[in-house]
This record gives sequence, structure tokens and C-alpha cells, in this order.
Amino acid sequence: DAGVIQSPRHEVTEMGQEVTLRCKPISGHNSLFWYRQTMMRGLELLIYFNNNVPIDDSGMPEDRFSAKMPNASFSTLKIQPSEPRDSAVYFCASRRDSYNSPLHFGNGTRLTVT
Amino acid sequence: QKEVEQDPGPLSVPEGAIVSLNCTYSNSAFQYFMWYRQYSRKGPELLMYTYSSGNKEDGRFTAQVDKSSKYISLFIRDSQPSDSATYLCATYNFNKFYFGSGTKLNVKP
Repeated sequence: DAGVIQSPRHEVTEMGQEVTLRCKPISGHNSLFWYRQTMMRGLELLIYFNNNVPIDDSGMPEDRFSAKMPNASFSTLKIQPSEPRDSAVYFCASRRDSYNSPLHFGNGTRLTVT
Repeated sequence: QKEVEQDPGPLSVPEGAIVSLNCTYSNSAFQYFMWYRQYSRKGPELLMYTYSSGNKEDGRFTAQVDKSSKYISLFIRDSQPSDSATYLCATYNFNKFYFGSGTKLNVKP
């Protein structure tokens, strides 16, 4: 089991640039979640997909944020244009869709927008 | 009111101490509770999960749920420096997970 794989691990970009974060969930997991973690706000759910369909995107902060899941093994989170306040660690997590199945997290992408 | 509240700490204890980490939750419908451990610059990893009330033990770790007071606890016996991490409590309902803010624990050798 390779776990949830995220890339890149670190991203430093200038304000206004487009940023794309990538995630490969665990094989066989049919729910995928994008979280953002900051010291001030902790873990915040941005969006989650079930069977590749976005179910709840109420946590996406602005239209600058978008997420896609074109197939069961890949998802992207895009920020365009990026702003310094987007600096955070972004985590992808996946789970099997059963009542006692926990979330499995990747190791995150640390985003710094200057 | 947040769904899950957790004291952020930090908590500093000597090696060998018993550690108690606590959370409260707001919705009595929650039945499934988890503790995640997060090391620096890593993702949260599942440490323990419990269903409904009672205790669950795994080695030096015990998770406890008191549904009457909406209180969940994690006890660590014989704490080790390798236990130094941030611990997050969590619960979920209808595929939506709710996390506490995390308690940072430092176990001093």
C-alpha cells in the first residue's frame, strides 16, 4: 500500500501565479478530500469527492480555487491567481466509503506565496 | 460553536509520564471517534478509532469516549520522546470529518 501520494512536497511561487497541487489516492478508495492546514485555523476541509464527483465544495474559499478529479486515481487542486494568504499546507486524504473507514492522509504540499 | 473543541497546549511532560489529551464535541449524533498523530512536516496518521462509548486499548494508548458528557480522551502510558507530536481528535457524520485544532505534545528525555 503506497499511501496517498501528493506532489509537489514544497511549492514557492509569486503572488498572481497559478499553482497546481496533485494527489493520487489509495487504490480502491472512492472518497477523496482536500484540506488546508494553518496554525491559526487548523485543518479546514476545502472539498470532497465521492466516486470522482464533487459532493461538498462549501469550504473552497473563493473562485480562485478549483478542484478536479478526472478519474479514480488522480485529483488536482488549482489556485489561480495565488495570493500570500493562500500560504499553508494542503493535504489530500482518501477513504473507502464504509461507515467505519478512517481517512488516510498524504504528507501534504507546503505552499508559500510571496 | 465548533463541532469539536480541543485544548491546543502545548503540553510538555517528562519521559515516562502518563499523558491525558482531551476533546469535547457538540453533536450527540456523532458515534465514531478517532485520534490522529501528526509529526512535524508530515500528514496526520490514524492512531486509534472507537465506536460509541467505552474504552479501547492499543499498547500504551487508550482511547476513551464518554457520550453522556460528549467527552473524548486519549491516554498515553509510559510516554516516550518519540510520542512528541501533535494529536488531533476527530469525529465524522455522513462522510464529513470534523477535527479538533490539535494538541502539541513534547515528551522530554
